[in-house]
Amino acid sequence: QQQVKQSPQSLIVQKGGISIINCAYENTAFDYFPWYQQFPGKGPALLIAIRPDVSEKKEGRFTISFNKSAKQFSLHIMDSQPGDSATYFCAALLQTGANNLFFGTGTRLTVIP
Amino acid sequence: DTEVTQTPKHLVMGMTNKKSLKCEQHMGHRAMYWYKQKAKKPPELMFVYSYEKLSINESVPSRFSPECPNSSLLNLHLHALQPEDSALYLCASSQSPDRAPLHFGNGTRLTVT
Repeated sequence: QQQVKQSPQSLIVQKGGISIINCAYENTAFDYFPWYQQFPGKGPALLIAIRPDVSEKKEGRFTISFNKSAKQFSLHIMDSQPGDSATYFCAALLQTGANNLFFGTGTRLTVIP
Repeated sequence: DTEVTQTPKHLVMGMTNKKSLKCEQHMGHRAMYWYKQKAKKPPELMFVYSYEKLSINESVPSRFSPECPNSSLLNLHLHALQPEDSALYLCASSQSPDRAPLHFGNGTRLTVT
């Protein structure tokens, strides 16, 4: 059973456009929601993260929007650049004695010049 | 570059071989993790070490044997692997077992022939 659902599977955006990736979860015990960026041949790199008591967090061109009642969160990449082309994973963390990170299925983003 | 270092970067082994993957972090983190990632899939948790003790084993076959010699090092011993075990093996660490975020290394690309 997929604990975190992510969409779309792939996304093509024009340079300068806005990329939006959505995630949804069911388990209300999750208390930390990170986004990871992964380039081919590399490990996932933490991009930005949010806790459920905050509705929005912005770091540079990257913004997380969080809707606790709907159990949904999304990543917005403003002014998308070709260098942003990568696979993005949302995740949700369950802290029950030991961190257990549940990943979404990933979104392959391509930003075309 | 990540602060979690994994060696080797690539490994090819036969089904009768014994090999080890190594992971090192010098951030003073007390929780370390092994993940397995197949192509175009999210990482899947294998093991969690909390304060050098194994705290989570996600029903991983015994041909994978983790070891945590000290708080900075994590090994994954491999024996009698199958071709379907070919994947990217990722190590991660966090400040403590109940504190996010997780920081990932760049992984070891394992091919079993």
